[in-house]
Amino acid sequence: DAGVTQSPTHLIKTRGQHVTLRCSPISGHKSVSWYQQVLGQGPQFIFQYYEKEERGRGNFPDRFSARQFPNYSSELNVNALLLGDSALYLCASSLRGGGLAGLPTSYEQYFGPGTRLTVT
Amino acid sequence: GNSVTQMEGPVTLSEEAFLTINCTYTATGYPSLFWYVQYPGEGLQLLLKATKADDKGSNKGFEATYRKETTSFHLEKGSVQVSDSAVYFCALRNYGQNFVFGPGTRLSVLP
Repeated sequence: DAGVTQSPTHLIKTRGQHVTLRCSPISGHKSVSWYQQVLGQGPQFIFQYYEKEERGRGNFPDRFSARQFPNYSSELNVNALLLGDSALYLCASSLRGGGLAGLPTSYEQYFGPGTRLTVT
Repeated sequence: GNSVTQMEGPVTLSEEAFLTINCTYTATGYPSLFWYVQYPGEGLQLLLKATKADDKGSNKGFEATYRKETTSFHLEKGSVQVSDSAVYFCALRNYGQNFVFGPGTRLSVLP
């Protein structure tokens, strides 16, 4: 079975532009989470979606938004790009979702290869 | 809040050497603890996990023990291989919250 897929692999944008990143979860997985990984740092949580609803949001500005489609794929949108948005954006899928309080602490996420965004 | 601290890298070892990567955490309650590995050009892969105090997670020769008294989850392997060269991330997930990752430790194993 295919793992988590993300597109595009690499992207170069200019400050002020808008970008859309895409993610397809593992077949049967209904939850998608997005992370930002700045070079040399660990991933930082941005959003979690389950059954097309936002179930969690990290400490990111409103320029960041996301949505999940009926087939459980997801898009991450970033408006008014800044140089500091340059990072690897990771998508992770999991079988279960719902509100975070309903999940055991041990639930596993499966990560895609990421989209490398460079803002110049 | 929750946080994870890892030893700074890079860590450079010769093949067959013993590996330890230190990880300590700050969290309330009883989080689950994880080690993820990231090979060049790839996403993160779950290496092992432990869900309660004194649990030992193990996989592919790697192991880590959940030590609540020292709030630690150190990663160890008795004999590393060149193919183990990667970045290793310690992470935790507390009840009702999302994953929190450490900054990562780069491991280079020389033949």
